Amino acid sequence: GNSVTQMEGPVTLSEEAFLTINCTYTATGYPSLFWYVQYPGEGLQLLLKATKADDKGSNKGFEATYRKETTSFHLEKGSVQVSDSAVYFCALIDTGANSKLTFGKGITLSVRP
Amino acid sequence: DAGVIQSPRHEVTEMGQEVTLRCKPISGHNSLFWYRQTMMRGLELLIYFNNNVPIDDSGMPEDRFSAKMPNASFSTLKIQPSEPRDSAVYFCASSLKAEETQYFGPGTRLLVL
Repeated sequence: GNSVTQMEGPVTLSEEAFLTINCTYTATGYPSLFWYVQYPGEGLQLLLKATKADDKGSNKGFEATYRKETTSFHLEKGSVQVSDSAVYFCALIDTGANSKLTFGKGITLSVRP
Repeated sequence: DAGVIQSPRHEVTEMGQEVTLRCKPISGHNSLFWYRQTMMRGLELLIYFNNNVPIDDSGMPEDRFSAKMPNASFSTLKIQPSEPRDSAVYFCASSLKAEETQYFGPGTRLLVL
């Protein structure tokens, strides 16, 4: 079956630090990969996505590259801000018969001023 | 576009009462999803619809939960009778097609006393 594994959290960083959040996946077909962000008290928002191998998704300074060889989709940002404090979810949708979005457990990021 | 609309945003009820959560998907989207989020279990897909037809309800916890989609612009999730363990945030999401990007509503925070 499909699965998404995220690194254990929470993560606490100082403002302007470099961020990496690891995500690896298992899928039976050719999935599309997503990062969603959930700010405190809000619903999930799509942050970025990639639909095929070697694609790079980017948004708001965040980037993630679809690496088929390592089945990974790590999220990076060069300089985090306090406003980036949120919960980040890695997810996939497989292109097979099962079209359900499979989420990782999420990781909480706190950025200190 | 107003995005996915959910109501109520907050609901407090007593054990045994019926609870009805409502969702209006983004206009033109053909797929609708109901999720539940708790600290213990993370994000869980409860049920999803394609073109108003329930496709997969394997995530519905038990018979106390039911979902309907009478038309393309409205869906309900009903819990009857409610129990304290149903306390969670319930999200509705919609997408153009089941395998494409899902857009989430702000959620309904349910507390069953």
